[in-house]
Amino acid sequence: SAVISQKPSRDICQRGTSLTIQCQVDSQVTMMFWYRQQPGQSLTLIATANQGSEATYESGFVIDKFPISRPNLTFSTLTVSNMSPEDSSIYLCSVEEVLSGGDTGELFFGEGSRLTVL
Amino acid sequence: AQSVSQHNHHVILSEAASLELGCNYSYGGTVNLFWYVQYPGQHLQLLLKYFSGDPLVKGIKGFEAEFIKSKFSFNLRKPSVQWSDTAEYFCAVNGDTDKLIFGTGTRLQVFP
Repeated sequence: SAVISQKPSRDICQRGTSLTIQCQVDSQVTMMFWYRQQPGQSLTLIATANQGSEATYESGFVIDKFPISRPNLTFSTLTVSNMSPEDSSIYLCSVEEVLSGGDTGELFFGEGSRLTVL
Repeated sequence: AQSVSQHNHHVILSEAASLELGCNYSYGGTVNLFWYVQYPGQHLQLLLKYFSGDPLVKGIKGFEAEFIKSKFSFNLRKPSVQWSDTAEYFCAVNGDTDKLIFGTGTRLQVFP
């Protein structure tokens, strides 16, 4: 199983500022996913980060607001830009276990980065 | 488009009671199905998963889930809950894409 480390684990930010969240995996993975978990809600996929290409964003999420980097197969960053209180959430990095034969296995999650925007 | 519904938002049980959490999905093709659990203050972790084969799958900590294709359901069960099962439970589906779509979650509280 993959071990995922996220930094920061939590932060309090001022409106209008930007924050970059880092995700480090202990093994090389093809796909990394960024999720958001707003208070009292489920996980919503923000984007899929592939190494060597631009991230693929889900409906409702745009690159200008959530730029993502994926410089190598073990690391990714998500930036939350021009933050507002509505961006207060837990942001989760996850990676996928790909089984032999290409079947999708489970997702492994980091412990999340809890952002509070004042 | 895939979607997942969890109809029980908040469940309160006493220890030793039986548990069943509902999960229904909408997708007509082949699916992979998952239940994840998030204990208070901890990260999400996999409880069990179904890819193919026996539709009754057993997971960790005495949990099991049954895939009923005709009902598009994957309900989670445990015959006798413990206080330590207090957590948030998420059903998730992976269909024709690599994306995992989560349900809204069910908060389970177990009282001694």
